[in-house]
Amino acid sequence: KAGVTQTPRYLIKTRGQQVTLSCSPISGHRSVSWYQQTPGQGLQFLFEYFSETQRNKGNFPGRFSGRQFSNSRSEMNVSTLELGDSALYLCASSLDSPQRNEQFFGPGTRLTVL
Amino acid sequence: SQQGEEDPQALSIQEGENATMNCSYKTSINNLQWYRQNSGRGLVHLILIRSNEREKHSGRLRVTLDTSKKSSSLLITASRAADTASYFCATDRGGSNYKLTFGKGTLLTVNP
Repeated sequence: KAGVTQTPRYLIKTRGQQVTLSCSPISGHRSVSWYQQTPGQGLQFLFEYFSETQRNKGNFPGRFSGRQFSNSRSEMNVSTLELGDSALYLCASSLDSPQRNEQFFGPGTRLTVL
Repeated sequence: SQQGEEDPQALSIQEGENATMNCSYKTSINNLQWYRQNSGRGLVHLILIRSNEREKHSGRLRVTLDTSKKSSSLLITASRAADTASYFCATDRGGSNYKLTFGKGTLLTVNP
């Protein structure tokens, strides 16, 4: 089975711009989660989607949003970029089962905001 | 906020030695998972241990969980230079909440 894929792998933007990141989960996985990783804050949960619905949300401002499509692919959008949004954005997918909550991560998108 | 806290923050050993990393957490959990991350790359899932399990093995990995102490340990036996990476523990609280809460990680360096 192919793993989780994320595009693009690297992105450079300037302050005030917006960005859209894409994630394709492992085939058969319907839950997709997004995480932000920075040197200062570590790995932080952004949100989780299941069946096109946001099921869980972390403590991030409304500039961070996401969506999931009927094929379980997910996108996240960050509007009005700030320097502090520079980070590695990781997507993870899992089966929808509390007993089998292994989450499998993609390679990440490295976002640099100048 | 970070629930898991790994200890030590950094560990340097020689090839062939065993490496032990610890993780503590604050609230009740459903599962605890360990991940590896090579410099700036994605997380690789290593092992999951459920709250009703005490020990689990996978190849050279051994994970223990002590829910009374809210702690877990990851043992890598006969380490190799390729094991050099950051290791994170992550917990979830179960139910329909799939959020993983990560610790800050242990940076393991295995010297050849």
